[in-house]
Amino acid sequence: ETGVTQTPRHLVMGMTNKKSLKCEQHLGHNAMYWYKQSAKKPLELMFVYNFKEQTENNSVPSRFSPECPNSSHLFLHLHTLQPEDSALYLCASSQDSASGPSTDTQYFGPGTRLTVL
Amino acid sequence: SQQGEEDPQALSIQEGENATMNCSYKTSINNLQWYRQNSGRGLVHLILIRSNEREKHSGRLRVTLDTSKKSSSLLITASRAADTASYFCATDTSGAQKLVFGQGTRLTINP
Repeated sequence: ETGVTQTPRHLVMGMTNKKSLKCEQHLGHNAMYWYKQSAKKPLELMFVYNFKEQTENNSVPSRFSPECPNSSHLFLHLHTLQPEDSALYLCASSQDSASGPSTDTQYFGPGTRLTVL
Repeated sequence: SQQGEEDPQALSIQEGENATMNCSYKTSINNLQWYRQNSGRGLVHLILIRSNEREKHSGRLRVTLDTSKKSSSLLITASRAADTASYFCATDTSGAQKLVFGQGTRLTINP
C-alpha cells in the first residue's frame, strides 16, 4: 500500500450521468495530482493542487471538474462524459517544496477504472 | 510530443536473465525517475536519479543517466516472475515542476 486510496475502484456510467471520483492520501503531503491513463498512450497529467490551490490545469475539458477541500482529499467530478473518456484515472500525492510541488517522488493510488457507455 | 520515450515497448525474457530498458528524453531535466505498474494498478516509484548523477543502485535495480545523450537505462538483474509489469520513466523537466511520463515498457518474465 502506498498510502493513497481511491474510490470507487471501478465505475461504469452513462454519458448523461454525474459521478465523482475520490482520492485520499494518508502521507501528510501537500500536493495532489489527477492523471488519466488510456490504452497505448502516455500517462497524462490533468490537474495539480498545491496547498489546496490548483496550480495546473492541463487543457482538460470542463466536463472534468476537480475539487480539493483540504490537502488530504481530492475529488474529480464527472458530468456528460464521452466514451473516449473511458480510462484508468490515477491520483497521486507528493511532498511540496517552498517553490511549488516537489516532484522528487509521487505516490500513486490504485486508480479508478472508468467506463463510459 | 512526449518527453520520455521508452525502448523497447515490450520485452519478454526468461526468469533469471537480466532485463534492460531504455528511456530517451528531449529537454534538460532536474531528475529522472523510474516507476513500475502492475496491470490495472497504480504506479510504484522505484528509483530517482538526479541530473548530476551517472549511476544509481537499489537492490537488483541499476539506473544510469547520460545527460549528454539525454538517455537513461534501467537494468533489473536476476529477474523474477514478480518483476512482470510495465516500467515507466518520468522526467522532471527543469523549471516545469511536473513529471512527464513515457509510454512505458511492458516486461514479461517467463518462468
